[in-house]
Amino acid sequence: ETGVTQSPTHLIKTRGQQVTLRCSSQSGHNTVSWYQQALGQGPQFIFQYYREEENGRGNFPPRFSGLQFPNYSSELNVNALELDDSALYLCASSGDRANEKLFFGSGTQLSVL
Amino acid sequence: GDSVTQMEGPVTLSEEAFLTINCTYTATGYPSLFWYVQYPGEGLQLLLKATKADDKGSNKGFEATYRKETTSFHLEKGSVQVSDSAVYFCALKNSGYSALTFGKGTMLLVSP
Repeated sequence: ETGVTQSPTHLIKTRGQQVTLRCSSQSGHNTVSWYQQALGQGPQFIFQYYREEENGRGNFPPRFSGLQFPNYSSELNVNALELDDSALYLCASSGDRANEKLFFGSGTQLSVL
Repeated sequence: GDSVTQMEGPVTLSEEAFLTINCTYTATGYPSLFWYVQYPGEGLQLLLKATKADDKGSNKGFEATYRKETTSFHLEKGSVQVSDSAVYFCALKNSGYSALTFGKGTMLLVSP
């Protein structure tokens, strides 16, 4: 059973740039969620995809967007990066939309300079 | 809106000491409650959960009881080990909505 893998592990960008983060879900999982974890804070929900459709979104602006592919891998795209976007981005997969048990990746640490 | 409040850390204990990490919540409806643990360099892992009032979740010697009257879900362990050193997150999931709301996390440091 493979776990949730994220790439890259670390990334440095400058303000105004665009970034794409990638996630490979655990085998057999059809639901993926993305969370932002700022330093010293708990993870905050960005959005969730179920079978390639977005089916839930947190309080994040439209410049945060995502995709889920037929193989259930996923991308998080952030446009027009701001300094406050610096954070750890976590991907989590689940076998169902109820999310009673999430499996998290180790995250991508994004630094915006 | 929904929110979770955890005691601030770090919590520093000696091996075999008793552990309590406090967690209280605010939510509409009847949420499910969770404890996730994050070991250094790893992703969050589900430690235990409870889905209704008075349920007790337990795993690896850790326990937490869903107390609706006090809106609490405190994490306890009778005898901690050095390997329990990690960051612990309390979280809730409201019925009808699938996202988790996390607390800020509590770092636990256990010394030999």
